Amino acid sequence: DTGVSQNPRHKITKRGQNVTFRCDPISEHNRLYWYRQTLGQGPEFLTYFQNEAQLEKSRLLSDRFSAERPKGSFSTLEIQRTEQGDSAMYLCASSLRPGRISGNTIYFGEGSWLTVV
Amino acid sequence: KNEVEQSPQNLTAQEGEFITINCSYSVGISALHWLQQHPGGGIVSLFMLSSGKKKHGRLIATINIQEKHSSLHITASHPRDSAVYICAKETSGSRLTFGEGTQLTVNP
Repeated sequence: DTGVSQNPRHKITKRGQNVTFRCDPISEHNRLYWYRQTLGQGPEFLTYFQNEAQLEKSRLLSDRFSAERPKGSFSTLEIQRTEQGDSAMYLCASSLRPGRISGNTIYFGEGSWLTVV
Repeated sequence: KNEVEQSPQNLTAQEGEFITINCSYSVGISALHWLQQHPGGGIVSLFMLSSGKKKHGRLIATINIQEKHSSLHITASHPRDSAVYICAKETSGSRLTFGEGTQLTVNP
């Protein structure tokens, strides 16, 4: 297994266009997270899934943002009618649901950079 | 006030120096994570702590739950340690709330 995979790695789009990012988590991981990071800042939580269920969404996730994980494996993050303020790196991470004994190491993808012009 | 605060924001050291990065958080946690981010974005998990101390190679992480404080130490620093080090607290659902990171530069 090659870890968490994200694509595309870079996307430049015109304002108003829709974009979609894909995340393939580590295969046995049942939790999948989306974060957003702007330059000079730490990542901010957007949403997370346990299997196919979206369990939590941040207030940062406006109506223009939607995330899915239809079969509990890969996930997509779609941004509709992009705005310049959406320019950021979108990070995906995955982990196993923490057990009573096991830890919960979180594995991150390399990120998808979005530039809205 | 941020939920997770790190200090310093920027740190420059000479090769071989002992380095400490501090992290304070405002509310209770299920775990505290230290992560490393290199230019280009990739984030690597270094430690996950819920109590005490962990060591991995030249890296040591400690946490004081009562004081809501954690430190990351790097012994015998090396230029390849140059990166952004991020502290993040884990709360419900295993979501992470991140600090703003500490940019470490180790000069040869």
